[in-house]
Amino acid sequence: AQRVTQPEKLLSVFKGAPVELKCNYSYSGSPELFWYVQYSRQRLQLLLRHISRESIKGFTADLNKGETSFHLKKPFAQEEDSAMYYCARAYNQGGKLIFGQGTELSVKP
Amino acid sequence: NAGVMQNPRHLVRRRGQEARLRCSPMKGHSHVYWYRQLPEEGLKFMVYLQKENIIDESGMPKERFSAEFPKEGPSILRIQQVVRGDSAAYFCASSPSTPSTQYFGPGTRLTVL
Repeated sequence: AQRVTQPEKLLSVFKGAPVELKCNYSYSGSPELFWYVQYSRQRLQLLLRHISRESIKGFTADLNKGETSFHLKKPFAQEEDSAMYYCARAYNQGGKLIFGQGTELSVKP
Repeated sequence: NAGVMQNPRHLVRRRGQEARLRCSPMKGHSHVYWYRQLPEEGLKFMVYLQKENIIDESGMPKERFSAEFPKEGPSILRIQQVVRGDSAAYFCASSPSTPSTQYFGPGTRLTVL
């Protein structure tokens, strides 16, 4: 089955603490994985994709094929990082995205 | 370059009525995707269209739902005879090609009374 799992519905940390948002995917072939973010009252936007291996706003994500995971990490959380984060996987050569349920990150001052 | 546009942003319908949701992709994008987000759930893929063609409709309910992306004009997601369970946020995304990053619109919130 095509599945992306984000086990945490809500993650609350203090400013300056490390953050890890978990994402697991069902194994099938060579996955193409993304993290999307939705800030309050804004549209969903791409945060990063594993192919580009970029670090955006201090976030990184490493694909672990052995654990079928693509966890999102940031060493020092900022209040402006508070948002909904969605992990997604592309299927059918990128035509279709399967999303996880989303994790709400709350960074407290 | 304006982003993906969706209208209306909010739509209220009574049971049995029709709902039409519009999506204008970003300039130069010929690929459009529709997703639905039910309350407390993640986004679920519905359909993927290229100009005048449906490429993948594996996520579309078999009845009452249809989508089109004509040569001219926006993509339309049409829901006939709406029921309360259709209440959700409907998001449209577009891309210039595939595989490629999908850019999302602000969504249309459909409420069925």
